[in-house]
Amino acid sequence: KAGVTQTPRYLIKTRGQQVTLSCSPISGHRSVSWYQQTPGQGLQFLFEYFSETQRNKGNFPGRFSGRQFSNSRSEMNVSTLELGDSALYLCASSNGLAGVSHEQFFGPGTRLTVL
Amino acid sequence: AQSVTQLDSQVPVFEEAPVELRCNYSSSVSVYLFWYVQYPNQGLQLLLKYLSGSTLVKGINGFEAEFNKSQTSFHLRKPSVHISDTAEYFCAAGNSNYQLIWGAGTKLIIKP
Repeated sequence: KAGVTQTPRYLIKTRGQQVTLSCSPISGHRSVSWYQQTPGQGLQFLFEYFSETQRNKGNFPGRFSGRQFSNSRSEMNVSTLELGDSALYLCASSNGLAGVSHEQFFGPGTRLTVL
Repeated sequence: AQSVTQLDSQVPVFEEAPVELRCNYSSSVSVYLFWYVQYPNQGLQLLLKYLSGSTLVKGINGFEAEFNKSQTSFHLRKPSVHISDTAEYFCAAGNSNYQLIWGAGTKLIIKP
């Protein structure tokens, strides 16, 4: 089975731009979660989608949004980029909701640098 | 408030020595508990999980963890570490909203 794939792997943007990151979950997985990882703040939960519906959301501003398609692929969008958005963005997929005993499988991440 | 606390941000240990990485969770989270590991420049992968049953859980790479309900802890242990165990370790717990609550991570530093 192919693992979780994320594209692109690296991205450089400037302040004020917007960016879209993509995640393809493991085949058959219906839940996709997104995380932001930075040296200062550690691993922070952004949101979780299950069957095209956002089921959980972390404490991030509205500039961060996401969606999930009928094939379970997910995209994350960040508008009006700020320097502080520079981070590794991780996507994880699971059979069911992450908090209900389901193991999450992580992708390698997208490294976003905002200049 | 629902929280998962990893008491040490870094744990240095000599190679072949035992190690314990500490994790405490608030009683308001559920008892689904996980340890994930992130090797340098990689994504996270599951080390072990506790869902129910035996309180001692064995995982990959010789790691094990013990669920202690009275102390609301889920500490991770390995009797003898190797250089290849150098990584960041994350504890997580599921809550009643089916959300995963994450600890801040503990960097395991192996000294030769």
